[in-house]
Amino acid sequence: QKEVEQNSGPLSVPEGAIASLNCTYSDRVSQSFFWYRQYSGKSPELIMSIYSNGDKEDGRFTAQLNKASQYVSLLIRDSQPSDSATYLCAVPYSSASKIIFGSGTRLSIRP
Amino acid sequence: GAGVSQSPSNKVTEKGKDVELRCDPISGHTALYWYRQSLGQGLEFLIYFQGNSAPDKSGLPSDRFSAERTGGSVSTLTIQRTQQEDSAVYLCASSLGGMHTDTQYFGPGTRLTVL
Repeated sequence: QKEVEQNSGPLSVPEGAIASLNCTYSDRVSQSFFWYRQYSGKSPELIMSIYSNGDKEDGRFTAQLNKASQYVSLLIRDSQPSDSATYLCAVPYSSASKIIFGSGTRLSIRP
Repeated sequence: GAGVSQSPSNKVTEKGKDVELRCDPISGHTALYWYRQSLGQGLEFLIYFQGNSAPDKSGLPSDRFSAERTGGSVSTLTIQRTQQEDSAVYLCASSLGGMHTDTQYFGPGTRLTVL
């Protein structure tokens, strides 16, 4: 089992719809979780962080965390063409000084 | 303010040569990270510096890789006797505090090509 797993996609979503991105992780005691967005040829930038079970909303973005299921997701409402990018899930490991990124989900918003 | 800077932006080298990649973090950031990203792949964590603590080097791919951070600021990643599989984009990031709570700000990366 990979330490952090994401579907590679591509995930194609029509403009205006909700895009749902999923991530599972193996470290049961991880406490913090991050979503980064990476445009093609660019460096990653933070979208959301989440630390507690439940939902966290920021504008069109909602992060959802379920520690019991070791699952974190990112919802993008009212998807825009500018949301087309690769989304990376990142999990710092509590037992070691390392942070593991998933391989990313490529999202494509079609007009 | 100034972001994370990396140099060089591109480096082409011959197999067997040594290369040195540089990262200047955001001023005041205590944590610094190095990653490697091969074409179409995710980020591979290499090493993390937090303040003046000795880093955990277990993420470095081989003993040809080394990293140091002088004075809690600038960092260099050195690859000795480069191999073709070392070709990738090397990304540096910094954060104000530790990896468990703080946003990482990424530099533009160094694209390394080993011929």
